[in-house]
Amino acid sequence: EAGVAQSPRYKIIEKRQSVAFWCNPISGHATLYWYQQILGQGPKLLIQFQNNGVVDDSQLPKDRFSAERLKGVDSTLKIQPAKLEDSAVYLCASSLERLGKVVAKNIQYFGAGTRLSVL
Amino acid sequence: ELKVEQNPLFLSMQEGKNYTIYCNYSTTSDRLYWYRQDPGKSLESLFVLLSNGAVKQEGRLMASLDTKARLSTLHITAAVHDLSATYFCAKDGQNFVFGPGTRLSVLP
Repeated sequence: EAGVAQSPRYKIIEKRQSVAFWCNPISGHATLYWYQQILGQGPKLLIQFQNNGVVDDSQLPKDRFSAERLKGVDSTLKIQPAKLEDSAVYLCASSLERLGKVVAKNIQYFGAGTRLSVL
Repeated sequence: ELKVEQNPLFLSMQEGKNYTIYCNYSTTSDRLYWYRQDPGKSLESLFVLLSNGAVKQEGRLMASLDTKARLSTLHITAAVHDLSATYFCAKDGQNFVFGPGTRLSVLP
């Protein structure tokens, strides 16, 4: 079974530029998560989708970050314009759980992440 | 707002020793998770604890959950170098929250 795919693996940009990250979840996984992990910290949830609907985006800085999950499969996360403090690893994860079907363990499977450096 | 705390944040221990990592959380909710992250790598699921008194074991790691105390523990038995990593606990409720992580170094 293929895992969660993310690209690119690394990205270096200057502040005020824009950047986009792509994620392809595990086939059949209804829920997709984007996390920001700053060096030395735990991952922080930015946005959670179930199929193509947003479940939680309370911690997404909506003035500069946007995300979409068209057709309930792949997802993109965009930052425009980037700030120095956006330097982090952006992790995508997916899980089986969906509305109307609770999965007891609901394990999230993580991709390798995209390491973003904003100069 | 759900808060998840871990201690210690850094742990250096010798091979063969035992130690426990603690995870406290602020609200009652379902499911407590433990993940492992190796340097420069992504996160790998270790355990999912579903109810009060749950205990899971895999090799030298054992996790337990006390929902009344809002506490989960990750116990390491006879540590080996391969266990060196950062360990995160996480809780889901209204949203999914990770703890700050415990960076474990096992020294020969």
